[in-house]
Amino acid sequence: AQKVTQAQTEISVVEKEDVTLDCVYETRDTTYYLFWYKQPPSGELVFLIRRNSFDEQNEISGRYSWNFQKSTSSFNFTITASQVVDSAVYFCALSEARAAGNKLTFGGGTRVLVKP
Amino acid sequence: DVKVTQSSRYLVKRTGEKVFLECVQDMDHENMFWYRQDPGLGLRLIYFSYDVKMKEKGDIPEGYSVSREKKERFSLILESASTNQTSMYLCASSPKNRVTNYGYTFGSGTRLTVV
Repeated sequence: AQKVTQAQTEISVVEKEDVTLDCVYETRDTTYYLFWYKQPPSGELVFLIRRNSFDEQNEISGRYSWNFQKSTSSFNFTITASQVVDSAVYFCALSEARAAGNKLTFGGGTRVLVKP
Repeated sequence: DVKVTQSSRYLVKRTGEKVFLECVQDMDHENMFWYRQDPGLGLRLIYFSYDVKMKEKGDIPEGYSVSREKKERFSLILESASTNQTSMYLCASSPKNRVTNYGYTFGSGTRLTVV
């Protein structure tokens, strides 16, 4: 069965600090997809990134970067030079290729609080 | 702008009431999902549907049922609401193609309180 663990429940930083969110996953499938979503106070989940299991390249998008390591089953997310607008709950999620209906399994979420 | 719309943002219901949560998407997506979100537990899948009139149980289906009579609409039903069903409910949809770039599109959620 697929499982996603986000060990950090809450992280508090001061603006401009870097923050890294950990995500560890379990799956028996060889083909799978990993996602990160952001949930701001408004409540709607916003897609940030998708990564395929066969593509281990790290990715950078502005102040966001992702480190995918298959050897440790981790897909960590770093926010560089954090801003108050980054305050949100962040979810890591996994979808196995065999899963019916593109079923996504989510981690417990990490609440990030960026103080001015 | 493509959307998943949940009919109510906040709902308060009494124990034992039958509750309907409605979700409509305008993207012609085949797959639709209902999750509940609780602090520390993340999002847990209740039910999903990959076609009209089709439904599959998720991880926590007990106490819930669903209906999908039209492609764009997916309803979650609490047959007899209980206080432990107080939660945030999120609807989502996705296209049938597994290799989807954006995962799901989510609605804004319905915060249900059962008193």
